Amino acid sequence: GAVVSQHPSRVICKSGTSVKIECRSLDFQATTMFWYRQFPKQSLMLMATSNEGSKATYEQGVEKDKFLINHASLTLSTLTVTSAHPEDSSFYICSARTPTVASSYNEQFFGPGTRLTVL
Amino acid sequence: QKEVEQNSGPLSVPEGAIASLNCTYSDRVSQSFFWYRQYSGKSPELIMSIYSNGDKEDGRFTAQLNKASQYVSLLIRDSQPSDSATYLCAGRGYNFNKFYFGSGTKLNVKP
Repeated sequence: GAVVSQHPSRVICKSGTSVKIECRSLDFQATTMFWYRQFPKQSLMLMATSNEGSKATYEQGVEKDKFLINHASLTLSTLTVTSAHPEDSSFYICSARTPTVASSYNEQFFGPGTRLTVL
Repeated sequence: QKEVEQNSGPLSVPEGAIASLNCTYSDRVSQSFFWYRQYSGKSPELIMSIYSNGDKEDGRFTAQLNKASQYVSLLIRDSQPSDSATYLCAGRGYNFNKFYFGSGTKLNVKP
């Protein structure tokens, strides 16, 4: 399967600081990437859909000014959690959709995730 | 109705048995369906994709799709303790960028 990397894998920060998480598709070009958040023992929650060269589409209830998404190239999307607070502590996972071709399932591959802890 | 629904489990099976995981989907979900495995504390890993009605086999895994009844299933043969994880069913919407995930079924394989 396709490979998606995510960096950092774990970050601990003080309340009020900003944290940037990078998501890269390593062996394919991803016009669309997705950002999820998952709290312990809960389901994946889609935060936003990131499209290369355009603004991200945020899910209802997700603050776009707090969670800044930039999809600057076909292989890189970044999520910046601005002015992080303890309630933002969670497991953030990105994924990338494989390109659209006639025979493709348009599969979605996940990065390994970033565990954010805000003190 | 949620677009993709799964029983949360846990589903417990003895080692060596067949584990059967099921999900149903709504009319908003189109043609491509996916099964992901998620170990505790890890991100989801794609294990099977299915597009056509019928069965698709890959090693110990068989995915089944029945479009008329709107259900997808995953069979795991010769279940191993290492198969213990949460299994997520997902389907793509008519928009290529819309994926719908079920809440996952927790599988426990007992040695």
